[in-house]
Amino acid sequence: QSALTQPASVSGSPGQSITISCTGTSSDVGSSRLVSWYQQYPGKAPKLMIYEVNKRPSGVSNRFSGSKSGNTASLTISGLQAEDEADYYCCSYASSRTYVFGTGSKVTVL
Amino acid sequence: QVQVVQSGAEVKKPGASVTVSCKTSEYTFTSYYIHWVRQAPGQGLQYMGIIDPRGGTTGYAQKFQGRVTMTRDTSTSTVYMDLRGLTSDDTAVYYCVTERPGSGGFDVWGQGTLVTVSS
Repeated sequence: QSALTQPASVSGSPGQSITISCTGTSSDVGSSRLVSWYQQYPGKAPKLMIYEVNKRPSGVSNRFSGSKSGNTASLTISGLQAEDEADYYCCSYASSRTYVFGTGSKVTVL
Repeated sequence: QVQVVQSGAEVKKPGASVTVSCKTSEYTFTSYYIHWVRQAPGQGLQYMGIIDPRGGTTGYAQKFQGRVTMTRDTSTSTVYMDLRGLTSDDTAVYYCVTERPGSGGFDVWGQGTLVTVSS
């Protein structure tokens, strides 16, 4: 199972919106509603930001939203803030109860 | 209340095996799936596999099949991940994380266990 493809880096100015893509195949992203996104600060455990493509856990800012089209999922951060600077990973159900992560994207707030 | 606490750091020699434990609450053990994810230094997240603590059913990522075993102890609400044939490439922080069944979201993460493989 190959890792899902994400851009290595995405940047934006405070207040702007950015979108991180996550491209898989018809065997994972394209055929599953179980796509999730994680935020990770250096030296910390990841944090769930989006699950089931576009659902936000309690406590996650509504500036974070998820979507999916075909084999590509996307995470959009609106009203970018300095605290959003982190690494972001997508994840999708793959097969036989297992999942696959994306390659990760570093978000920089300019 | 969902909670997971992992065992401490390990240093192993190449070729050895390591066992990392993940102690949960009884509620977590009976209501959630447990997944294992690792992260090598400076690298991304890598999925390893899943165990359903209720029945012990497992699923392993292809990369780890034949080398990893996930088990559970119902008497202590603890899940274990055994990884055999260690190489330096297995040096990483290993996380256990919960999933509310069917949600696909890994919501409560352990604190991570650093496994260092070095001769």
